[in-house]
Amino acid sequence: RKEVEQDPGPFNVPEGATVAFNCTYSNSASQSFFWYRQDCRKEPKLLMSVYSSGNEDGRFTAQLNRASQYISLLIRDSKLSDSATYLCVVTLSGGYQKVTFGIGTKLQVIP
Amino acid sequence: SQTIHQWPATLVQPVGSPLSLECTVEGTSNPNLYWYRQAAGRGLQLLFYSVGIGQISSEVPQNLSASRPQDRQFILSSKKLLLSDSGFYLCAWSQDSEQFFGPGTRLTVL
Repeated sequence: RKEVEQDPGPFNVPEGATVAFNCTYSNSASQSFFWYRQDCRKEPKLLMSVYSSGNEDGRFTAQLNRASQYISLLIRDSKLSDSATYLCVVTLSGGYQKVTFGIGTKLQVIP
Repeated sequence: SQTIHQWPATLVQPVGSPLSLECTVEGTSNPNLYWYRQAAGRGLQLLFYSVGIGQISSEVPQNLSASRPQDRQFILSSKKLLLSDSGFYLCAWSQDSEQFFGPGTRLTVL
């Protein structure tokens, strides 16, 4: 089983739609969780951290379910500019932060 | 604020040639530094990480090596490139849990 699993997509959604991505992780000792966004041929950029209580940043909402070991990202009112690959990231702290990236889910917002 | 630089941005090298990619971080001290490779259509693969000067750990056996001669400098090297070394090489730094990436080097080995 992969440490972090994501559906690679692509998810093709019309502008204005709501879209949700899930990501599962295998190590129950994982401590920190993030969503990154990667545009084509660019570096990943931190989108938001994910907390058990859930967190929201504008149109984006992230949730963590420790019992089921998954995190989610909800995007409301999709914009063309949201088209990108969304990477799920799980961190396990030790001597350094062991960081594992999912393969990413590709989102294409269609006019 | 912190910034991270990588160069070159793109590189085309023949098989068997050497490689040196450089990464520098500004605006922070004693960061954890990372080298990743992203092959076409694949996820990020951690190659090396460093928690301090001269301290390098390798995640994947390969023909690449890394060095950290200064606190904010991280170098990825190879003596002889393979075709399979082609990819997008990303340097990242962290102090807490979040990682911040440089702009990357796109390497094509022919």
